[in-house]
Amino acid sequence: ILNVEQSPQSLHVQEGDSTNFTCSFPSSNFYALHWYRWETAKSPEALFVMTLNGDEKKKGRISATLNTKEGYSYLYIKGSQPEDSATYLCAPSMEYGNKLVFGAGTILRVKS
Amino acid sequence: DSGVTQTPKHLITATGQRVTLRCSPRSGDLSVYWYQQSLDQGLQFLIQYYNGEERAKGNILERFSAQQFPDLHSELNLSSLELGDSALYFCASSARDPDTQYFGPGTRLTVL
Repeated sequence: ILNVEQSPQSLHVQEGDSTNFTCSFPSSNFYALHWYRWETAKSPEALFVMTLNGDEKKKGRISATLNTKEGYSYLYIKGSQPEDSATYLCAPSMEYGNKLVFGAGTILRVKS
Repeated sequence: DSGVTQTPKHLITATGQRVTLRCSPRSGDLSVYWYQQSLDQGLQFLIQYYNGEERAKGNILERFSAQQFPDLHSELNLSSLELGDSALYFCASSARDPDTQYFGPGTRLTVL
């Protein structure tokens, strides 16, 4: 069973704070790493797909990096806003294919 | 709106019954994925179809089956339902592997 760990489990920050989360996964047979944002009562929304070691992706105030050799990815949010409150999920796929294994997620709450 | 549609939105049924969940992928997407989110569990991959053929299988019970039709819509059939099958079932679609998976709004199944 593929072990995907996300930390922290939850995070409460003030508006304007910058924050980051970690996703750890087995480095062998790695194929791609997906990040999703999941707001309550909605469906998961894709943020990034990364495949290469050293990949960095950015979307507005959110960015992500990937280290496939050591098996981790960081997600950064700069200047958190209340609308960033959501669960952030990472999901690697191993070997060829798009079969994702989701981590338990990091719950972010941003207070105004 | 991701462009992926799922019907019905809610389904309430009794143990032992059979239900069919339907998914229409985004226009042009050939891959369809089914996920289950049970209480206290993360998103679990069930099965993937690509252009009508089964591509990958996850933790899908033998009581569950799926298919993808020539028009690319997909159906997930759940039979001999048990209380533990109560969950949120998501469908996602993508254009190719690896690629962003776009999630539908989900079908909430309640088995009484």
